Amino acid sequence: AQSVTQPDIHITVSEGASLELRCNYSYGATPYLFWYVQSPGQGLQLLLKYFSGDTLVQGIKGFEAEFKRSQSSFNLRKPSVHWSDAAEYFCAVGEYNTDKLIFGTGTRLQVFP
Amino acid sequence: GAGVSQSPRYKVAKRGQDVALRCDPISGHVSLFWYQQALGQGPEFLTYFQNEAQLDKSGLPSDRFFAERPEGSVSTLKIQRTQQEDSAVYLCASSLSRQGEAFFGQGTRLTVV
Repeated sequence: AQSVTQPDIHITVSEGASLELRCNYSYGATPYLFWYVQSPGQGLQLLLKYFSGDTLVQGIKGFEAEFKRSQSSFNLRKPSVHWSDAAEYFCAVGEYNTDKLIFGTGTRLQVFP
Repeated sequence: GAGVSQSPRYKVAKRGQDVALRCDPISGHVSLFWYQQALGQGPEFLTYFQNEAQLDKSGLPSDRFFAERPEGSVSTLKIQRTQQEDSAVYLCASSLSRQGEAFFGQGTRLTVV
């Protein structure tokens, strides 16, 4: 069965530091992969997505992610974190035939000044 | 409207009560999804509509859950005889087409007491 694992429940970084959030997936074919961000009381906002082609994808707010098929990973990165990046981050895999998203359990990012 | 709108934002129901949650998708969006997000978890798929057709309801946890989208726009998720385990945030998402970006509403937080 398809699944998404986000091994880090909670990450704390200092403002200006680099960030990497881990995501591993289990899917039978080439997956559609997504990263969403959820701020308190807000809906999910799409940061970036991978469907095919270049394995390094750029997203909004300075985020990027790299698809590594050999490692079944799609880690999210940002070179310099801002205090406003504090939120919950969800990795998801999309099914081809149904379009539904399968989400990981999320990583809560805390940013210290 | 400008985004996906869900109402009510908060709902407290007594155990055994029926509830109805409404989703107004972005105008013209063909696909509509419902997800359930328990506290501290990622969203879990409930059901999917393409226009008025409910193409996938595999995620509905029991026959107490029912969703409809009779005219292919507004959707209602109904939960009959609510139980405590139904307490969660219910998220609605819509997309313009298959495999298009899914835009999420802010969700309805249901608390069953």
